[in-house]
Amino acid sequence: AQTVTQSQPEMSVQEAETVTLSCTYDTSENNYYLFWYKQPPSRQMILVIRQEAYKQQNATENRFSVNFQKAAKSFSLKISDSQLGDTAMYFCAFINAGGTSYGKLTFGQGTILTVHP
Amino acid sequence: GAVVSQHPSWVICKSGTSVKIECRSLDFQATTMFWYRQFPKQSLMLMATSNEGSKATYEQGVEKDKFLINHASLTLSTLTVTSAHPEDSSFYICSAETEYSNQPQHFGDGTRLSIL
Repeated sequence: AQTVTQSQPEMSVQEAETVTLSCTYDTSENNYYLFWYKQPPSRQMILVIRQEAYKQQNATENRFSVNFQKAAKSFSLKISDSQLGDTAMYFCAFINAGGTSYGKLTFGQGTILTVHP
Repeated sequence: GAVVSQHPSWVICKSGTSVKIECRSLDFQATTMFWYRQFPKQSLMLMATSNEGSKATYEQGVEKDKFLINHASLTLSTLTVTSAHPEDSSFYICSAETEYSNQPQHFGDGTRLSIL
């Protein structure tokens, strides 16, 4: 079974600064996907960024980038130029890529990020 | 893009009543849907996997008779909380599985259930 661990229950950052959220995972699979989801106070689940395990290049989406270290099973999220709208709970998630169905998403415990003006 | 509609968004009802929550995939077919429960400031906890035309697969510790799941069509799954009690109050989220690796699940906006 896969596990995903987010060791930072809460983080805070000043507006316009950079913050990094940590995530580690454990799996015996070789082919999988990793995701970061954002859940603002509205509680919608918003996909922020994804990474395919077979790709060495780190994914980037505008101000969001990841540091994917496959051997270390680490998948951190860096938010640059933080904005007030980035205030949310962030979840790291894992899913297998093999088989006819992707199956279950495994979520980490979540990190509550607060951006201060 | 793929849209999942969840209804109602908020429901308040008396203890002992049953509540049905609907999850619809609006512009794609979903053979598989998932139901999650979330407590404040906690992660999403998978309750069950709903498969079109067959019985749902429940996670360990989830009461099948309390949380009835029906997935009668490729675009609709329902979760019925039977004889609800205050401890069933929570935020329930559904998701629908897609065939696309860039976003393998699309989430509904959730239902806030409050049992008085």
